Amino acid sequence: DGGITQSPKYLFRKEGQNVTLSCEQNLNHDAMYWYRQDPGQGLRLIYYSQIVNDFQKGDIAEGYSVSREKKESFPLTVTSAQKNPTAFYLCASSLEAGTNYGYTFGSGTRLTVV
Amino acid sequence: QKEVEQNSGPLSVPEGAIASLNCTYSDRVSQSFFWYRQYSGKSPELIMSIYSNGDKEDGRFTAQLNKASQYVSLLIRDSQPSDSATYLCAVKLGYGGATNKLIFGTGTLLAVQP
Repeated sequence: DGGITQSPKYLFRKEGQNVTLSCEQNLNHDAMYWYRQDPGQGLRLIYYSQIVNDFQKGDIAEGYSVSREKKESFPLTVTSAQKNPTAFYLCASSLEAGTNYGYTFGSGTRLTVV
Repeated sequence: QKEVEQNSGPLSVPEGAIASLNCTYSDRVSQSFFWYRQYSGKSPELIMSIYSNGDKEDGRFTAQLNKASQYVSLLIRDSQPSDSATYLCAVKLGYGGATNKLIFGTGTLLAVQP
């Protein structure tokens, strides 16, 4: 079955540590997105990518980095510069930009600072 | 002014009643509109999309769009306890086809009472 796989489901980060969240899709979607969800604040866009080897900052990119070396993969690194990383992270994908399709979401990664 | 606004709720309705969820958006050039359902601790799931003024029905769900009033709504007929979730409204701005970014509201929590 086609879909988006995020791993791990739960992740614990120590102070000053970088961690990487995985996102893989087999839907043959062109665009991929990373969102952060905090209680009462809805979904906030971190980074997005419309094609391989290209990505754009979203509204809250500081302290995060991404890569898009393959169409299927869009990993997110939460760096030590991100001072408040505890949140629910959602990866999504969609068909090419300019279409009227919505997003398909992965199951999410819950990151906690310990 | 927020780009996509929803009443946070909770909206409480008895089982079997019609639940009406509302969403307003600020950008007149918005082209595509989506409703997502998100159960507690889970990722959002696309349930309805609408692009043209009027109503669109899918089973117990009806999406309504009024671009002149910049208003989109979701009606859930014969509400069931399993419909209890947060409903996210999302809008695609459609600037020149350059991006497929969705702007999300903060969601309305629906509680269906048995």
